[in-house]
Amino acid sequence: SQTIHQWPATLVQPVGSPLSLECTVEGTSNPNLYWYRQAAGRGLQLLFYSIGIDQISSEVPQNLSASRPQDRQFILSSKKLLLSDSGFYLCAWSVRLAGVNEQFFGPGTRLTVL
Amino acid sequence: SQQGEEDPQALSIQEGENATMNCSYKTSINNLQWYRQNSGRGLVHLILIRSNEREKHSGRLRVTLDTSKKSSSLLITASRAADTASYFCATVNSGYSTLTFGKGTMLLVSP
Repeated sequence: SQTIHQWPATLVQPVGSPLSLECTVEGTSNPNLYWYRQAAGRGLQLLFYSIGIDQISSEVPQNLSASRPQDRQFILSSKKLLLSDSGFYLCAWSVRLAGVNEQFFGPGTRLTVL
Repeated sequence: SQQGEEDPQALSIQEGENATMNCSYKTSINNLQWYRQNSGRGLVHLILIRSNEREKHSGRLRVTLDTSKKSSSLLITASRAADTASYFCATVNSGYSTLTFGKGTMLLVSP
């Protein structure tokens, strides 16, 4: 069966510090991968998605970046965090099936920037 | 831009009652999905309805889709305290590569 892991689960970082959040998927190959951010009490904002290694699409211009060094690994990074980067970050994957795109989510990382 | 918009934003009911949440969207869709999120957790897929379907059932869940009104509803029958969560609708883009989520309905079911 497929599983998706995210770490860390929680993170408190000072403004201006770097960020690296990691997401890995097991039990599937060639998944689509996604990074979302969810502000408190809000919906999900798609940040990045990837249909393959080194194939990243950015949905929202900001000080975040994403990389996919391996087929089932998706990393969200920042060189310098802003206060507005605080939020709940969710990684998700989906199978490349036409007409569906059902997504499976990780447990999330709660990021607080102070 | 936000594709799906759920209403109400919050819903509070008693156990045993039915809960109905609505979702409106703006552009043509291929399918619409409903997800559930427990507080502080990831989202879980509940049900998918395709654009050529009008109604779908899964256990205590009933989803309807009206493409002429660009709206969908999620009905949870005989609600339980464990149904307390946020519920989101999501629409898939024309290339099936991304989902656009609404802001969600926060459901509270009291024992």
